[in-house]
Amino acid sequence: GQSLEQPSEVTAVEGAIVQINCTYQTSGFYGLSWYQQHDGGAPTFLSYNALDGLEETGRFSSFLSRSDSYGYLLLQELQMKDSASYFCAVSNEAGTALIFGKGTTLSVSS
Amino acid sequence: SQTIHQWPATLVQPVGSPLSLECTVEGTSNPNLYWYRQAAGRGLQLLFYSVGIGQISSEVPQNLSASRPQDRQFILSSKKLLLSDSGFYLCAWRDDRIYEQYFGPGTRLTVT
Repeated sequence: GQSLEQPSEVTAVEGAIVQINCTYQTSGFYGLSWYQQHDGGAPTFLSYNALDGLEETGRFSSFLSRSDSYGYLLLQELQMKDSASYFCAVSNEAGTALIFGKGTTLSVSS
Repeated sequence: SQTIHQWPATLVQPVGSPLSLECTVEGTSNPNLYWYRQAAGRGLQLLFYSVGIGQISSEVPQNLSASRPQDRQFILSSKKLLLSDSGFYLCAWRDDRIYEQYFGPGTRLTVT
């Protein structure tokens, strides 16, 4: 089956850089996704990596190493509005549904 | 553009009562549809998914069931709610040709 591990909490200050790691075990790999969820809201898509390397989207970047079954989300120039939960996700064995990690709560302080 | 609707937004139900949550998607056809549950402060647990009308896959055995009576309609049901059914229920859809999954606004269910 699929399983994902990510830290439960991360704290940082405004303007800093933070990295949220994710390790996964999966019987079939279709890519690693990242989602953001603000308190009380629905998750929203941030990024997707199917191949090794770094994908950059504005202040957010995501990295994947398939040989290490590892990825991370890098958030730069942190802002208060980045305080949220961040989830990594992989597809189930059939590639038809996303399985999510337990999430990392990021707290950004001034 | 595509939109996803869920209702109700909040629900308080007594233990042993039935449940019906509805989700509809507009602006797309033959989407993959999903139900997730999120307990307070916890991760997203995949409950059911559907790749077509009448096709339901269950990820976690429990007292919940799902149905897809129409292409863009996904219903989550229970005959008798348990206290442990409390949580934030999220419907999501995905086009089979892309990887991004879109979530509805969710239903916050409290079983008392």
